[in-house]
Parts: sequence; structure tokens; C-alpha cells
Amino acid sequence: EDQVTQSPEALRLQEGESSSLNCSYTVSGLRGLFWYRQDPGKGPEFLFTLYSAGEEKEKERLKATLTKKESFLHITAPKPEDSATYLCAVREGNEKLTFGTGTRLTIIP
Amino acid sequence: KAGVTQTPRYLIKTRGQQVTLSCSPISGHRSVSWYQQTPGQGLQFLFEYFSETQRNKGNFPGRFSGRQFSNSRSEMNVSTLELGDSALYLCASTRTSGTPEQFFGPGTRLTVL
Repeated sequence: EDQVTQSPEALRLQEGESSSLNCSYTVSGLRGLFWYRQDPGKGPEFLFTLYSAGEEKEKERLKATLTKKESFLHITAPKPEDSATYLCAVREGNEKLTFGTGTRLTIIP
Repeated sequence: KAGVTQTPRYLIKTRGQQVTLSCSPISGHRSVSWYQQTPGQGLQFLFEYFSETQRNKGNFPGRFSGRQFSNSRSEMNVSTLELGDSALYLCASTRTSGTPEQFFGPGTRLTVL
């Protein structure tokens, strides 16, 4: 069965302290890897789509990268407003999205 | 452009009852997917509808069902509620089935007592 594993489960960083979140996956026929941000009490907000190994996408302090087995979400000089749960999802051949359980990121001022 | 709307936002039911949740997609979006989110299991896919037809279905019992109307609005129904059905139910819309980016609504928080 296809699996998506995110690590760490939770991460606390000081403001300005850069780090990376990991998403590893085992799917046959990857048709896209997606990153979402979810704030408490809200639905996930779309961030990035990656399709092939070596691809990178950037948005403000966030950069997503993709290899054949995993994706990284790099956060550079984070601010308290970057605190949220970050979700990774993969789309497989039948177009269903499979989500990881997320990384809860807390940025301490 | 208005986002995905879900009603109601909060719901409390008792075991054995049934519930219907509603989702209105972004204008022009024809595909609607439903997810269940719980702390232990994360986001789990329930089903997807496109042009009033169910295209994909997750691994949930038959108590969970849905439908889509000609205006792309969708409803999901859960019959014979169980305590374990307590969750945040999220709806997401995309322009067409298979379009990568899904846009989520705020969810309906269902509590089963």
C-alpha cells in the first residue's frame, strides 16, 4: 500500500533558525507531490506541486525539493507566522491523494 | 472569488443518528473531494465526485456516502453514527478531475456523543 511518512512529527525553532521538514513516500507511478499548510481550525492551504526528481519550487521563506523517494520543505529564517502544520500528499496513478500526518512547526519569537 | 464553503461548521450528534454535510465548491470548479481528518489518522480520502459521478472512493464503510448536484455542490451523508466518526470533515474542489491543486474549505467539525 502506498505510504507517505513525514518527519519530524513536531519541530520547535527559534525565529530565524532555518530547518527542513521531510516527506518520504512509496508510491508506484507518482503523479505529483503536494505541500499544504494548515492552521488550527482551518482547511489546508495549497503551497506547492512537484512532479519530477530535481524539481524545486519557492515561495517567500519556503522552498520545496523533490527526489525519487522523498521531498524536503526548507524553511529559511522563519517567523512566528510560519507556525502551522505542514502536510505532504502524493497523487498516485488513480489520481487519489494520500496525505502524511504532518509536521507541526512552532516558531518561537 | 469566493472560496470553498462548508455547512454547517460545527455539529453535535449522538450515536445511531445520521448526518448530512454540505460543500459548495469554488465557482467554475466541477470536481469535489471529501476527506476525514482525525488526530491519529490524519487526512483520509473519502470520495471524489466530478460532474455528478463518483470517480474515486476511499476505504470507508458504506455508511459514508455522497452525491453531487448539477451545480457542482456536493453533500456527504453518514448514517448510523459511531463515536469514531468524530472528526473534521474537509471538502476540496478542483477545476477538473485530475487537476493537481485542490482548494480546501474550512471543514465541518462533527462530534458524536
